Amino acid sequence: KQEVTQIPAALSVPEGENLVLNCSFTDSAIYNLQWFRQDPGKGLTSLLLIQSSQREQTSGRLNASLDKSSGRSTLYIAASQPGDSATYLCAVRLAGANSKLTFGKGITLSVRP
Amino acid sequence: GAGVSQSPRYKVAKRGQDVALRCDPISGHVSLFWYQQALGQGPEFLTYFQNEAQLDKSGLPSDRFFAERPEGSVSTLKIQRTQQEDSAVYLCASSLVLRDTEAFFGQGTRLTVV
Repeated sequence: KQEVTQIPAALSVPEGENLVLNCSFTDSAIYNLQWFRQDPGKGLTSLLLIQSSQREQTSGRLNASLDKSSGRSTLYIAASQPGDSATYLCAVRLAGANSKLTFGKGITLSVRP
Repeated sequence: GAGVSQSPRYKVAKRGQDVALRCDPISGHVSLFWYQQALGQGPEFLTYFQNEAQLDKSGLPSDRFFAERPEGSVSTLKIQRTQQEDSAVYLCASSLVLRDTEAFFGQGTRLTVV
């Protein structure tokens, strides 16, 4: 059974810091991995999708990397801003017929002004 | 609208009551997923559809949960005889094709069973 772990559960940083959010998964036979942002009381906003054949994806100040063999992904946020405060979730989709996403519990990020 | 739309946004149900949650996916999206998110947890898979076909319902927690997508667009998640442990946010997601593209999520329906 695929398990996705995100540690730590919460993180507080001062504005302007570059930071890395980690995600690990137990089954490396994934089809793709997706990072999401969730604001309190809201749904999930897709940030980046990395296919299993890719090593990284970039969007603005965000960069996500994937090391499938070691079962790890990182989300790098450059020059953090208070508006980046949210919960960040990673989710993996296994290779094979089943298309469901398996999520971690998320990392709650607080960026202090 | 351009995104996934869910209604109602909030639902309070008395224990034992039946509820129906609606999801309008992005137009043209073939795949539709339902997830359940308990407080402080990541979303857990419930079921998914490819067009009108329900291909996987392995995540439905009991036979009180039922989902349908009769015309391959709008989907309804029905919970019969609600119990307190059903209290959660129910999220719907859609994607263009089965696996290759991003999943887009709605705002969710927060169900509270009292």
